[in-house]
Amino acid sequence: DVKVTQSSRYLVKRTGEKVFLECVQDMDHENMFWYRQDPGLGLRLIYFSYDVKMKEKGDIPEGYSVSREKKERFSLILESASTNQTSMYLCASSLGPVNQPQHFGDGTRLSIL
Amino acid sequence: GDSVTQMEGPVTLSEEAFLTINCTYTATGYPSLFWYVQYPGEGLQLLLKATKADDKGSNKGFEATYRKETTSFHLEKGSVQVSDSAVYFCALRNTGNQFYFGTGTSLTVIP
Repeated sequence: DVKVTQSSRYLVKRTGEKVFLECVQDMDHENMFWYRQDPGLGLRLIYFSYDVKMKEKGDIPEGYSVSREKKERFSLILESASTNQTSMYLCASSLGPVNQPQHFGDGTRLSIL
Repeated sequence: GDSVTQMEGPVTLSEEAFLTINCTYTATGYPSLFWYVQYPGEGLQLLLKATKADDKGSNKGFEATYRKETTSFHLEKGSVQVSDSAVYFCALRNTGNQFYFGTGTSLTVIP
């Protein structure tokens, strides 16, 4: 089974801090994704990556950056955390072919105080 | 652009009732279609998939058929259990390697 591991289930940070969310997958997937999930807004794509050192902006990249130095690891960075970034963050990965699904981690519930 | 529309919830059913959650999509080409389930406080888990027209995906008593003529992928289960209470997401992956999700349908099953 594919395993996507997010480093923290719950995280509490303060406004203005630089926050790192880590995601690791163990199945050699080319594609990795970061979403945030908020009540009533569904899943919104922040960034994605098709390969090592590659990144593409999703629908809501403002205030975030990402890093993919190794194929199995995709990090989401909040440069200067703000209260409106309090959310559930979901990491996902997938193989390249179109018939392949995304596999999700358990999520990180991030609170910015 | 491509999109997924699923029925709004919340849906409340009694145990052993029949479940249908409607999902329709808009996409060019031949997307793959998926249903995911999310239990409270967890990430999304793949429930089933179908990758071409008339395919039926099935898992844990749930099933959905890829209907290209009606651009639909409705989720069904013949007899729901309390443990099926969760949020269900319909999704597609298009030939451009993009994923689109519906807004989710919350299901509560009461004993």
